[in-house]
Amino acid sequence: DAGVIQSPRHEVTEMGQEVTLRCKPISGHDYLFWYRQTMMRGLELLIYFNNNVPIDDSGMPEDRFSAKMPNASFSTLKIQPSEPRDSAVYFCASSPRLAGTDTQYFGPGTRLTVL
Amino acid sequence: RKEVEQDPGPFNVPEGATVAFNCTYSNSASQSFFWYRQDCRKEPKLLMSVYSSGNEDGRFTAQLNRASQYISLLIRDSKLSDSATYLCVVTPRGGGTSYGKLTFGQGTILTVHP
Repeated sequence: DAGVIQSPRHEVTEMGQEVTLRCKPISGHDYLFWYRQTMMRGLELLIYFNNNVPIDDSGMPEDRFSAKMPNASFSTLKIQPSEPRDSAVYFCASSPRLAGTDTQYFGPGTRLTVL
Repeated sequence: RKEVEQDPGPFNVPEGATVAFNCTYSNSASQSFFWYRQDCRKEPKLLMSVYSSGNEDGRFTAQLNRASQYISLLIRDSKLSDSATYLCVVTPRGGGTSYGKLTFGQGTILTVHP
């Protein structure tokens, strides 16, 4: 299994630009999660999907952030317009729906730098 | 108060040492507990689940104290390869929109030196 795939691995952009992060979950996993990790705030859940439907987006910091999951094998996280404080590592994770477990499998992350 | 609190360390120990990490959580309704490991500039990976009765996986032992809302991880006979950040993770009671909502601690940094 290829695991969770994220692209790009690194992104450097200028303030005000649109940024799109991509994720391909593990095949057969019903849940997909987007996290952000910074030194100050640690790892924070932004939003998660179940069967392509957004379930909880309470962690999305503001309207500049949006996420979609058009099908079971693809999700995007978009920031428009980007700001320097959005600089962080963004992880995508997926999880199978197995009773009694919350194990999540993380992708390698996208390291975003907004100048 | 943060939902999950850990001593950030860093812990610097020699090979072969025994080291213990502690974690407290604020939500008494928390259901599931885990330790994840994160290597430098890598993604978090599940190390082990934590069960009420305590559980062991090789050199690693996890303990849960629900009354005190306290979780621990003990590493015996430390190896150089154990150097990483250890993340304490809790989830709320299952069902509905709470499924899968992992709450991570800030992590404890461990460095094992020769």
